[in-house]
Amino acid sequence: GNSVTQMEGPVTLSEEAFLTINCTYTATGYPSLFWYVQYPGEGLQLLLKATKADDKGSNKGFEATYRKETTSFHLEKGSVQVSDSAVYFCALSVRTSYDKVIFGPGTSLSVIP
Amino acid sequence: GAVVSQHPSRVICKSGTSVKIECRSLDFQATTMFWYRQFPKQSLMLMATSNEGSKATYEQGVEKDKFLINHASLTLSTLTVTSAHPEDSSFYICSARDQATGVEAFFGQGTRLTVV
Repeated sequence: GNSVTQMEGPVTLSEEAFLTINCTYTATGYPSLFWYVQYPGEGLQLLLKATKADDKGSNKGFEATYRKETTSFHLEKGSVQVSDSAVYFCALSVRTSYDKVIFGPGTSLSVIP
Repeated sequence: GAVVSQHPSRVICKSGTSVKIECRSLDFQATTMFWYRQFPKQSLMLMATSNEGSKATYEQGVEKDKFLINHASLTLSTLTVTSAHPEDSSFYICSARDQATGVEAFFGQGTRLTVV
């Protein structure tokens, strides 16, 4: 079946530190990969996406590269800010008739000044 | 990007009553919408797939008589939690995809349900 595994937090970093959140997936077919972010008390926002192997998604300084050979989609940011504190979800969808999104468990990030 | 609006954002109800949550796609038509449930500090669990004009498809373990889903138009799906109990308290989120423009799903802002 389809599943997503990601490093579980909480992760605490100092401002301007480098961030990596690992994500690996298992999928039948050829999935699209996503990172969603959830700020406290809010819904989910799409952070970035990649739809085929070697694609790099990027947004707001965050990047992730679709690695088919390692079935990974690790999230990185070179210099985190306090405002990046949130929960980050790695996710995938496979183009079946329902386009369900399968989420990883989420990684809580806290950035301290 | 596409916008999905969910209402209400917070609701408190008494045990035994029913609560309706609305999910609207504001600038696109969605033949399919999805309802998720999120427990504190946990990931999202898919509850059901809402299909316009037909019955919803429920995930294993989700009571269809407890969580009634109606998708009467291409822009509106509703989730009704019937005879709510405190264990139904949770964060409910809907999503939809604009099939005409992209692969990503867009999510509503979520509904915090508290049953007292």
